[in-house]
Amino acid sequence: DAGVIQSPRHEVTEMGQEVTLRCKPISGHNSLFWYRQTMMRGLELLIYFNNNVPIDDSGMPEDRFSAKMPNASFSTLKIQPSEPRDSAVYFCASSLLSGADYGYTFGSGTRLTVV
Amino acid sequence: GDSVTQMEGPVTLSEEAFLTINCTYTATGYPSLFWYVQYPGEGLQLLLKATKADDKGSNKGFEATYRKETTSFHLEKGSVQVSDSAVYFCALSGIYNQGGKLIFGQGTELSVKP
Repeated sequence: DAGVIQSPRHEVTEMGQEVTLRCKPISGHNSLFWYRQTMMRGLELLIYFNNNVPIDDSGMPEDRFSAKMPNASFSTLKIQPSEPRDSAVYFCASSLLSGADYGYTFGSGTRLTVV
Repeated sequence: GDSVTQMEGPVTLSEEAFLTINCTYTATGYPSLFWYVQYPGEGLQLLLKATKADDKGSNKGFEATYRKETTSFHLEKGSVQVSDSAVYFCALSGIYNQGGKLIFGQGTELSVKP
């Protein structure tokens, strides 16, 4: 298994531009999580899905952020318009809903820089 | 609500020293407990876990024992190596399991010097 795959690994964009981050979870996993990591705030849960349905998006910082999961093998996190304070590493993770005891598998992350 | 508290870092040790990173939790009932490790430039990786009281999780020389009486899950290693330098996260999965969500601590950075 290739693990959780995120793309791109690095993204540099100008303020005001739209940014789309992508994630392919592990086949068979039915929960997907988006996290943001910064030095100041640490690891923050943005949103998570169970069986492609968003369960809790209370961590999404504002309306500029949106996430979708159109099918079991793909999810996107979009920021529109982007701002310099959105600069962070964004991680996607997946797990088995009924087996949270197994923990998560994380992707390698997307390092976003907004200039 | 459920929460996890870790000792603050950074922790700096010499090679072959003994490591302890403290983790305590607040949760209803008996959650499952985890330690994750994040090496520089990488995502978090599951290091070990324990799913019931008195269980001991172990992996790569690291150990942690689920202590219900002290609500703790401290991470230990008898002899650290330079390659253990990383950030370590304690986490729990609550019994109500809110859709499989894990609650993470703030992370503890470990730096091991030769």
